Amino acid sequence: GNSVTQMEGPVTLSEEAFLTINCTYTATGYPSLFWYVQYPGEGLQLLLKATKADDKGSNKGFEATYRKETTSFHLEKGSVQVSDSAVYFCALTGSSNTGKLIFGQGTTLQVKP
Amino acid sequence: GAVVSQHPSWVICKSGTSVKIECRSLDFQATTMFWYRQFPKQSLMLMATSNEGSKATYEQGVEKDKFLINHASLTLSTLTVTSAHPEDSSFYICSARDLGTGGSYEQYFGPGTRLTVT
Repeated sequence: GNSVTQMEGPVTLSEEAFLTINCTYTATGYPSLFWYVQYPGEGLQLLLKATKADDKGSNKGFEATYRKETTSFHLEKGSVQVSDSAVYFCALTGSSNTGKLIFGQGTTLQVKP
Repeated sequence: GAVVSQHPSWVICKSGTSVKIECRSLDFQATTMFWYRQFPKQSLMLMATSNEGSKATYEQGVEKDKFLINHASLTLSTLTVTSAHPEDSSFYICSARDLGTGGSYEQYFGPGTRLTVT
């Protein structure tokens, strides 16, 4: 079945450091890929998405590229801020239009000033 | 932007009682809502898909008689945990799919409900 694997956290960085959170997936067909962010006390928010191979999703300085050859969708940001501290979830939906999201286990990011 | 609310945000109940959690899309219509369960430091696990006007579709291993889902309107879905036990204690999250986005898979998430069964 479909699955998503993320690097374990927590990830602790200093402000302005470079961020990478690894995400790999297993899926049949052509899934859509997502990164969601959960700030403390809030619901999940869509951060970015990519719907086909080689697409790059980007938002708020974050980027991720849909790599079919390596089945990966790593999240990157060139310079993190304290306000980026949150839990990040990688997710996918399968080829069928059910809308069902399969999530990775989440990675906690802590950015220190 | 699209907002999904959940009520209550936190509830404590005694073992054997039932608890109802509401999920509302505040500024859009949602033909489909999803219910997830999140354990501490773990991922979200999809429990069921709720479609307006029809029976919910449950994921494998989820007891439909224990977790009753009703999607009576395009803006409201409810999850009732019946005869709750301490092992049902968890964080329950709903999401709603915007009818207006057509084939888009984007979902909007509620802030979650913390259920504690004593």
